[in-house]
Amino acid sequence: EAGVAQSPRYKIIEKRQSVAFWCNPISGHATLYWYQQILGQGPKLLIQFQNNGVVDDSQLPKDRFSAERLKGVDSTLKIQPAKLEDSAVYLCASSLGILAGEGDTQYFGPGTRLTVL
Amino acid sequence: GQQLNQSPQSMFIQEGEDVSMNCTSSSIFNTWLWYKQDPGEGPVLLIALYKAGELTSNGRLTAQFGITRKDSFLNISASIPSDVGIYFCAGQPMEYGNKLVFGAGTILRVKS
Repeated sequence: EAGVAQSPRYKIIEKRQSVAFWCNPISGHATLYWYQQILGQGPKLLIQFQNNGVVDDSQLPKDRFSAERLKGVDSTLKIQPAKLEDSAVYLCASSLGILAGEGDTQYFGPGTRLTVL
Repeated sequence: GQQLNQSPQSMFIQEGEDVSMNCTSSSIFNTWLWYKQDPGEGPVLLIALYKAGELTSNGRLTAQFGITRKDSFLNISASIPSDVGIYFCAGQPMEYGNKLVFGAGTILRVKS
């Protein structure tokens, strides 16, 4: 079974530029997550989708970050404009979407490493 | 918000030694998970714990869900060079469904 796919793997941009990341979850997974992982820290949830609806975006900096999952499958995360502190690895994860409880394991993609100069 | 305190921050051990790391929180969690992350990769699930007091093994790995629901530990027995990586605990807070909160990670280095 194919895992979570992400692209690009690496991206270097200058501050104030825009950037977009793409994620293709595991087939059949209803829930999709975007995490930000700053060097030396654990992943922090930015946004969670259930199919094409947003479940939780409480930690998404909405003045510059946006995400969509229009058809309930692939998702894109955009940053516009980027700041130096946005340098991090952006991880996408997906899960079956069973209601909270046993079995709703999140599977992570390899991430996109963003460097903002 | 919920915060997980993971310790130790890093370990440098001799091949063959046993390793122990733990996570604590002031909040109650429904689920405790342990992930391993290799350089340039996303976290990979090692062990999932769903019930207070549960003790689960996966090969040389053993993890326990604390009886108070506020802590968990991971043990690795007879470490080998490929155990090198960053280990993260993660929990699903009781009041937040399947949202995951991660610890800061334990960096494991193994000297052969």
